[in-house]
Amino acid sequence: GENVEQHPSTLSVQEGDSAVIKCTYSDSASNYFPWYKQELGKRPQLIIDIRSNVGEKKDQRIAVTLNKTAKHFSLHITETQPEDSAVYFCAAKIGTNAGKSTFGDGTTLTVKP
Amino acid sequence: EAGVTQFPSHSVIEKGQTVTLRCDPISGHDNLYWYRRVMGKEIKFLLHFVKESKQDESGMPNNRFLAERTGGTYSTLKVQPAELEDSGVYFCASSQRWGDGYTFGSGTRLTVV
Repeated sequence: GENVEQHPSTLSVQEGDSAVIKCTYSDSASNYFPWYKQELGKRPQLIIDIRSNVGEKKDQRIAVTLNKTAKHFSLHITETQPEDSAVYFCAAKIGTNAGKSTFGDGTTLTVKP
Repeated sequence: EAGVTQFPSHSVIEKGQTVTLRCDPISGHDNLYWYRRVMGKEIKFLLHFVKESKQDESGMPNNRFLAERTGGTYSTLKVQPAELEDSGVYFCASSQRWGDGYTFGSGTRLTVV
C-alpha cells in the first residue's frame, strides 16, 4: 500500500521567515495530495491541495509543489505569523473521487514572535 | 452548515470495557471515514463508508472494532473489549460524493487504562 513520509517532525521559525515541510510518497498511482492544519485543541482542516496534473498551486502565503518523478511534494509558508503555529499533515490518495488518504506523521510548526 | 460532530470528546475506560464513539457527518455527505492517531504518529485509516455500505475496511485493526452507519447518516465505532493499545485520538471525516478533501470532526480522545 501507499506510504507517506513527512519531514521534519518539528520546525521552529522566526516570525516573518519562511517554512518548508516535505513529504514523499511511495505509490506512483497517487494523484491527489492535500495538506491539513491542526491547531492546538482543534480539528484538522484542509488548507490546500494539489492534483497530479499540476506542478504548483498557491493560495496567498501558502503554496504546494509536486514533483511526480521524484514522488515528493512540499508545503511552503511565506511571511510566517504566530497563528501559523500548528501541526501540519500531508496526505496522498490513489484514484479519483472519494477514497482513503494516507497521511504523514505530522510536522509541529512553531512560529516565534 | 453544521460541521462534522463527534461524541464524546474524551473517554477514559478500563481495559476490557466497551466504548462506542459516534460521528455525525455533514448532511448530504455520502462518504464517511474513521481514522485514528496514536502516540503522535500518523493519522491512520480505519474504514470508509459510502452511505450505509462499507467501501473499504482494510484499516480496521482486528475484530474488536465494529463500525456501523445506520441509514447512511451517523456512524458508530465500537471497541469491545478495549485494550491499552487502543488509546489514541479517533477522528471522523466526511466528504461529498465525488469529493477528495475531507472535513474532519474534532476527534474523540480515548484512553484505556
